[in-house]
Amino acid sequence: EVQLSESGGGLVQPGGSLRLSCAASGFAISNYAMSWVRQAPGKGLEWVSAIGGSGPGTYYADSVRGRFTISRDTSNNTLYLHMNSLRAEDTAVYYCAKRVSILRSGFDSWGQGTLVTVSS
Amino acid sequence: AIQLTQSPSSLSASVGDRVTITCRASHDISTTLVWYQQKSGKAPKFLIYDASSLESGVPSRFSGSGSGTDFTLTITSLQPEDFATYFCQHFYDYPLTFGGGTKVQIK
Repeated sequence: EVQLSESGGGLVQPGGSLRLSCAASGFAISNYAMSWVRQAPGKGLEWVSAIGGSGPGTYYADSVRGRFTISRDTSNNTLYLHMNSLRAEDTAVYYCAKRVSILRSGFDSWGQGTLVTVSS
Repeated sequence: AIQLTQSPSSLSASVGDRVTITCRASHDISTTLVWYQQKSGKAPKFLIYDASSLESGVPSRFSGSGSGTDFTLTITSLQPEDFATYFCQHFYDYPLTFGGGTKVQIK
């Protein structure tokens, strides 16, 4: 069974840093494109970042480019999101999501989310 | 970046009603559109891929159509468990944007 479990959220001051983790089980993250998606309180979904399944490519939303870095550790099957220079507008629940496959669109598995609150 | 505009942003409907939600893309995205359902406090659930293909396990009362820039999600005979918020998303290229969402509420 495919499972994703995020951790690392919490309260951080503006300008601070945080690292989110997404532990995967039931599949190898090296074989799939993975993304981070966030949802601010009471708002819609916002795609944040992705890392390619087979290659080293990484992709970012304009709102986080230069501040966030996506990475993965295939030895422990974990996806990360390193967040620097955090702003109030980064406050959201952050989900990790697995793309169905290289050839098929859609995120078919999601974690439960981890809340990041940026506030002084 | 490709923008996705969903309409309406909310609607009220009764059990048994037919509901249609629209998603319009700012550029031609072929059929690289998917739909999700999200209930309060939960992660999104994958419903439809390639604009019109039903994900395994999703009830057949859900259907999708469209290509290019105009897409629809239709729920025939709305059920109590269908009251939720629905989002479209494209996979044409990065960034993978979402529509703003449509909240389906009980009339």
